[in-house]
Amino acid sequence: DTGVSQDPRHKITKRGQNVTFRCDPISEHNRLYWYRQTLGQGPEFLTYFQNEAQLEKSRLLSDRFSAERPKGSFSTLEIQRTEQGDSAMYLCASSLAMGAPYGYTFGSGTRLTVV
Amino acid sequence: AQRVTQPEKLLSVFKGAPVELKCNYSYSGSPELFWYVQYSRQRLQLLLRHISRESIKGFTADLNKGETSFHLKKPFAQEEDSAMYYCALSGSRDDKIIFGKGTRLHILP
Repeated sequence: DTGVSQDPRHKITKRGQNVTFRCDPISEHNRLYWYRQTLGQGPEFLTYFQNEAQLEKSRLLSDRFSAERPKGSFSTLEIQRTEQGDSAMYLCASSLAMGAPYGYTFGSGTRLTVV
Repeated sequence: AQRVTQPEKLLSVFKGAPVELKCNYSYSGSPELFWYVQYSRQRLQLLLRHISRESIKGFTADLNKGETSFHLKKPFAQEEDSAMYYCALSGSRDDKIIFGKGTRLHILP
């Protein structure tokens, strides 16, 4: 296990297209988080899962965004009808349950560019 | 509302000089505080957390509840300290971590 993996590393898409990103957390971590980071900003929370249950969604997560973690292992984040404002780095992180006080392990991120 | 404020976007410090990265927070309760670091072309990683009261790479941070601050300090800067630093918090009952906008630390030779 080499840590949190995200795929793809980069994605360029045309406005209006759908995109899907994948995150593979550390195997023994049952919590998984998605964040978005734009230029000059810190990571902004989007949503998180404990096992397969999605426990919280940010107001930043519009109806065009959906995240799943079907078997409590890997997760996908889909953006439908992409807009230029969706261009950002999408970060995935994982932790043990109640792991926030001990910090998260982040992946390298997927950089999305919408043209 | 939960908020983390890092007032400096960029901090330039000469090698060997002391470093202080400022962080103030707003939270109605007892938060957990963290510092994360991102070196060039590397992923975001945890530098230190206040609950463990540890010193990592010579950095320390003290939680001041009266001033709601969690400033990061190092007595003697090294060139390899150049990076982006993010202050962050989570509520004791709320699991998500909220990040500040970050401060870029540039160590001058």
